[in-house]
Amino acid sequence: LAKTTQPISMDSYEGQEVNITCSHNNIATNDYITWYQQFPSQGPRFIIQGYKTKVTNEVASLFIPADRKSSTLSLPRVSLSDTAVYYCLVGALTDKLIFGTGTRLQVFP
Amino acid sequence: GAVVSQHPSWVICKSGTSVKIECRSLDFQATTMFWYRQFPKQSLMLMATSNEGSKATYEQGVEKDKFLINHASLTLSTLTVTSAHPEDSSFYICSARGPGQGNTEAFFGQGTRLTVV
Repeated sequence: LAKTTQPISMDSYEGQEVNITCSHNNIATNDYITWYQQFPSQGPRFIIQGYKTKVTNEVASLFIPADRKSSTLSLPRVSLSDTAVYYCLVGALTDKLIFGTGTRLQVFP
Repeated sequence: GAVVSQHPSWVICKSGTSVKIECRSLDFQATTMFWYRQFPKQSLMLMATSNEGSKATYEQGVEKDKFLINHASLTLSTLTVTSAHPEDSSFYICSARGPGQGNTEAFFGQGTRLTVV
């Protein structure tokens, strides 16, 4: 399972776009990149998953460069309710999910 | 999306007693379930993986005799913390995945806060 590195924390203000980058230098060919969000005292919630290039859904975009050694989760126009911990996971689709340290995002009014 | 339900949401128990936590997949058959433990301000730590009808596979350093996992049906897995001690106080989270489902569809329960006094 590829090891991931994310910033420990990030601050933002409401309405801004937030980009959280995750490094995964030893990503394998069969590995996908998945991001989860976790609020305090709750289980993680799936945000987005991708293999290469760009993926977009109703809540976020995921940018993956050609070498796939990093990825960037983009949250457009964050609100206070986006304050949470964001985890980047890398692995094959049937792998067990191993969580790294995550990025604690704090959104200010 | 699919729903995974944990029960109880929180529990307080006396030191030395055992506590059982249930994890149910409400609208799909969970062939694989994962159990995690999370301490305050820390990430989720995978404790074990269980496949329906077979013994759980524990991660290194997790005592299988202390954390008993049973996955007897396709919709229910249980974690029993035996002879609980204050250091077992933590947030326990389960995750379930169905047959043919990749990690896109690994759904998590809401977690169980265990406090051992």
